[in-house]
Amino acid sequence: GQQLNQSPQSMFIQEGEDVSMNCTSSSIFNTWLWYKQDPGEGPVLLIALYKAGELTSNGRLTAQFGITRKDSFLNISASIPSDVGIYFCAGRSLTSGTYKYIFGTGTRLKVLA
Amino acid sequence: EAQVTQNPRYLITVTGKKLTVTCSQNMNHEYMSWYRQDPGLGLRQIYYSMNVEVTDKGDVPEGYKVSRKEKRNFPLILESPSPNQTSLYFCASGKGWGTDTQYFGPGTRLTVL
Repeated sequence: GQQLNQSPQSMFIQEGEDVSMNCTSSSIFNTWLWYKQDPGEGPVLLIALYKAGELTSNGRLTAQFGITRKDSFLNISASIPSDVGIYFCAGRSLTSGTYKYIFGTGTRLKVLA
Repeated sequence: EAQVTQNPRYLITVTGKKLTVTCSQNMNHEYMSWYRQDPGLGLRQIYYSMNVEVTDKGDVPEGYKVSRKEKRNFPLILESPSPNQTSLYFCASGKGWGTDTQYFGPGTRLTVL
């Protein structure tokens, strides 16, 4: 099945550093989503993006919907230990199904205090 | 408390023995979906349902069945499980039309021997 290319696969960073990750697709999406999964739990939606070029923030998190509609970016500023987890991007394309979602492979983030 | 519940949380079974994983939500959501999570592959959508009696295939539907006879329940059925269906399964629900916010259950870890 189709998947999104998400990078990096994993990151080890120091507390206080900024983090950037991205997601790319070979096809166009109408919606980009970013989720976080804590260990042993289900994913939780962080940010939803609906318009090409859109930049949306949620606290220390900022995400952007790429102009080409084939990519998206997530930045975390001033990381803290509770940012540890797996971050997933997801896309939804109206051409592939009304509410069919394609997820990235995830970025595993570890924060060193 | 608003939540998505899944049962069982853990299951070890043998090849070919039919099983059902239940999913229930108490938020009156129209949309429900099943995903599987595998290392290195992220989340992949199995089936989704826009409303009662309305279901559609996700990216990896082979070997699975679903039904949506009531709004709150969306069971996942494996008629003849095989070892390649060993995975972590998540059920999710959302309001549906006009919103992409999904609430995930705690997950069911299935091992097929």
